[in-house]
Amino acid sequence: GAVVSQHPSWVICKSGTSVKIECRSLDFQATTMFWYRQFPKQSLMLMATSNEGSKATYEQGVEKDKFLINHASLTLSTLTVTSAHPEDSSFYICSAQTSGNSYEQYFGPGTRLTVT
Amino acid sequence: QQPVQSPQAVILREGEDAVINCSSSKALYSVHWYRQKHGEAPVFLMILLKGGEQKGHEKISASFNEKKQQSSLYLTASQLSYSGTYFCGTVPYGGATNKLIFGTGTLLAVQP
Repeated sequence: GAVVSQHPSWVICKSGTSVKIECRSLDFQATTMFWYRQFPKQSLMLMATSNEGSKATYEQGVEKDKFLINHASLTLSTLTVTSAHPEDSSFYICSAQTSGNSYEQYFGPGTRLTVT
Repeated sequence: QQPVQSPQAVILREGEDAVINCSSSKALYSVHWYRQKHGEAPVFLMILLKGGEQKGHEKISASFNEKKQQSSLYLTASQLSYSGTYFCGTVPYGGATNKLIFGTGTLLAVQP
């Protein structure tokens, strides 16, 4: 159980275009999903917290107009990188949180974005 | 604010033991441990919720010293499959209880 999928797993796009990444919890409902960004050989940096039916909460320094997050249902959250630039190239990972006191997070396989 | 992990990297031979430490500057509500292989998503290992709690499965265990604001991950009789980068994810007191702040990471390489 607790499987999270991401699509696409790998994408290359031209500078100035937008890219949408989907995150789905396959066998459980996730009221909260998180979006992380990870540069090579670095730790995961939280970008935003996504709650179903409400606006996402962005971490300090993350541009909400550039990284649009939509949490349309209890099993789907999307991240759209708008007007992508080469510096947006990174590994984007989502996680979905189970209910309960432990707040376990289960991660998707990640999306490798390369902007040329 | 990011928890500091030590060591940064370690190379082991199969069967050797390792300890990975995670230290926070803030009092912690919980500590989560993850292992990430290159190009893949982190895989959940375990959560420690109470100060002094120790947990483990197979040959991987962890402790949580609430007073010292730190946690340690113990890998015994390491296997090749243990290779990867280990991250602690911390939930500080006073913060949102569902948000993780990840540590700096420890790269572990197990050689035959």
